Amino acid sequence: GAGVSQSPSNKVTEKGKDVELRCDPISGHTALYWYRQRLGQGLEFLIYFQGNSAPDKSGLPSDRFSAERTGESVSTLTIQRTQQEDSAVYLCASSFRGDEKLFFGSGTQLSVL
Amino acid sequence: QKEVEQNSGPLSVPEGAIASLNCTYSDRVSQSFFWYRQYSGKSPELIMSIYSNGDKEDGRFTAQLNKASQYVSLLIRDSQPSDSATYLCAVKTGTASKLTFGTGTRLQVTL
Repeated sequence: GAGVSQSPSNKVTEKGKDVELRCDPISGHTALYWYRQRLGQGLEFLIYFQGNSAPDKSGLPSDRFSAERTGESVSTLTIQRTQQEDSAVYLCASSFRGDEKLFFGSGTQLSVL
Repeated sequence: QKEVEQNSGPLSVPEGAIASLNCTYSDRVSQSFFWYRQYSGKSPELIMSIYSNGDKEDGRFTAQLNKASQYVSLLIRDSQPSDSATYLCAVKTGTASKLTFGTGTRLQVTL
């Protein structure tokens, strides 16, 4: 596609429910990042995928968070048993071979009631 | 100590003035430095990258890097109201895969 695509753009869920967020990177981009941005805050690194290498999961805040990526394509971020503090914008970005210029998607606004 | 630190602002400058945005980082082996601009409600976009000590100019933007002081800055000359946004400093360490962002500085350019 022309850019990084994220879905859904907005998600409202009840505390305790599981949610799945999707990211479709730019075709040919081998690197994919997930970041979280709380209201008025900076970007918090969650996880990084590069090709077929083991992902860098060092930013995942708890075992409720997990992410998968199929080859060099779509990635899903799953949050289990959501909590109110999980409310944030979840941003996905991709880059070419780990080149540092990241292209960001428009994000998923997650609201946990 | 945060890995990448920025003043949150807001930094207010009049139209036509020079805006100076600053960033410090903690890891001495960091090698790559970036400035992203984020308009309210939008996603970040890359505006400058710098890898070696000194200045790098691109139009009205100049990035400055001082590795000895672990300091990187962004100067915006002839500031315009359209420059009003949050500017995020990002750092990549050679052995790490992730790009670490600061919390951003909100810039307001006033008429």
